[in-house]
Amino acid sequence: EPEVTQTPSHQVTQMGQEVILRCVPISNHLYFYWYRQILGQKVEFLVSFYNNEISEKSEIFDDQFSVERPDGSNFTLKIRSTKLEDSAMYFCASRVSEGGRYNEQFFGPGTRLTVL
Amino acid sequence: KNQVEQSPQSLIILEGKNCTLQCNYTVSPFSNLRWYKQDTGRGPVSLTIMTFSENTKSNGRYTATLDADTKQSSLHITASQLSDSASYICVVSGDTGGFKTIFGAGTRLFVKA
Repeated sequence: EPEVTQTPSHQVTQMGQEVILRCVPISNHLYFYWYRQILGQKVEFLVSFYNNEISEKSEIFDDQFSVERPDGSNFTLKIRSTKLEDSAMYFCASRVSEGGRYNEQFFGPGTRLTVL
Repeated sequence: KNQVEQSPQSLIILEGKNCTLQCNYTVSPFSNLRWYKQDTGRGPVSLTIMTFSENTKSNGRYTATLDADTKQSSLHITASQLSDSASYICVVSGDTGGFKTIFGAGTRLFVKA
C-alpha cells in the first residue's frame, strides 16, 4: 500500500542552523501539508501546498519557514535559522483531491527535530 | 474562534470493554470531520471521515457519529484490544478557501489486560 515517507526520522541541530526536512508524498496526490507537534501538545497546521504554490499557511509559518517541491516526488520544509522552540515532531501529509469524502489526508511517520 | 474540544483527556479501560470518546467543535463553515489514531511517536492514521450529510461511519470496531446541528461527534470503540492504546484525535476541516484544519488535543486511551 502506498504511503507517505519522511527523512530523516530524527534530526539534531544547533540553534541558528538551517534544516531541511524531506517528504515523499503518495505519488498521485496533489495536495501537500506540513504539520508540527510539540511534545505533549496538539498537532498544529503549518502550511498547505498545491499546484506549486502555498495555498494556506498558519501564523506559525513565518519568514523562517519555506516549502518547496523541487522535483516530481519530494516536498521539503526548510527552517532557515532554527530556534529552541522549533523542537517538535514535523509531519508531512498528502491527499489526492479536494472536497468531501476524498479529503482524507495520509500522514507520514514524522521527523523529530531537536534544536540544541 | 475555530476550536475543537475533546473529552475525556484520558481514559483507562479493561480489554474487551467498549468506550466512547467525545468531540465538540465550533469550526464554521464545516467541511468534514475526521478521527485519527496516533500511536506514540508516530504519524496519525485515519479511522473515519464524515461530511455534513453523514451522521455515522464505521471502520471495523470503530464507529463515529456526527451531529452537525449540535456540532458534536463521538467515536465508539467496541471490544477494545490492547493495541487500541493510543491517542484518538478529532480533526475538523472548514472550507475557508484553503481547507483550514483544526486538530483537537486528543483523548489518550489506555487499554489494560
